[in-house]
Amino acid sequence: GAVVSQHPSWVICKSGTSVKIECRSLDFQATTMFWYRQFPKQSLMLMATSNEGSKATYEQGVEKDKFLINHASLTLSTLTVTSAHPEDSSFYICSARDRGESQPQHFGDGTRLSIL
Amino acid sequence: GQNIDQPTEMTATEGAIVQINCTYQTSGFNGLFWYQQHAGEAPTFLSYNVLDGLEEKGRFSSFLSRSKGYSYLLLKELQMKDSASYLCAVMDSNYQLIWGAGTKLIIKP
Repeated sequence: GAVVSQHPSWVICKSGTSVKIECRSLDFQATTMFWYRQFPKQSLMLMATSNEGSKATYEQGVEKDKFLINHASLTLSTLTVTSAHPEDSSFYICSARDRGESQPQHFGDGTRLSIL
Repeated sequence: GQNIDQPTEMTATEGAIVQINCTYQTSGFNGLFWYQQHAGEAPTFLSYNVLDGLEEKGRFSSFLSRSKGYSYLLLKELQMKDSASYLCAVMDSNYQLIWGAGTKLIIKP
């Protein structure tokens, strides 16, 4: 149980392109989903927390107009990197938490984004 | 401030036992998680401790002492596939997860 699917796994695109990443909880309802970014050999950095049906809460230093998050249903959250530039190249990982705040987060497989 | 400390890197031998320590100082405590992350992959959940004591799950065990702000992950009968980073994360009073930087475990034959 507790499977989280993230799509796509890899994206390579030109600078200025907007990229959408999907995160789905397959066998549970995720009231809360999280978006992380991880640079090589560095720890996870939380970008934002999204709750179903409400606006995402962004961490300090993360531009909400740059990283658009939509959590439209209990099983789907999307992250759109708008007008991506080479410095946005990173490993983006989503996680989802089942009902109950003490539940563990279960991670998707991540999306490796490369902006040329 | 909130702080999670764990060693940056550890080396162990295949078949042996290794203990990865984690100390924390957080505003409140609602549990401690251990995750495994292989290079280039997303983390996978290993264990959750909220009460003091040892939780055993196969070759992996996790221990918690809330009074000492201390946890460890114990890996027995090490296998080459256990080479990975091990992340300690503490849930604070706001149910926010505070992540450690991870311990890179290198297993040698």
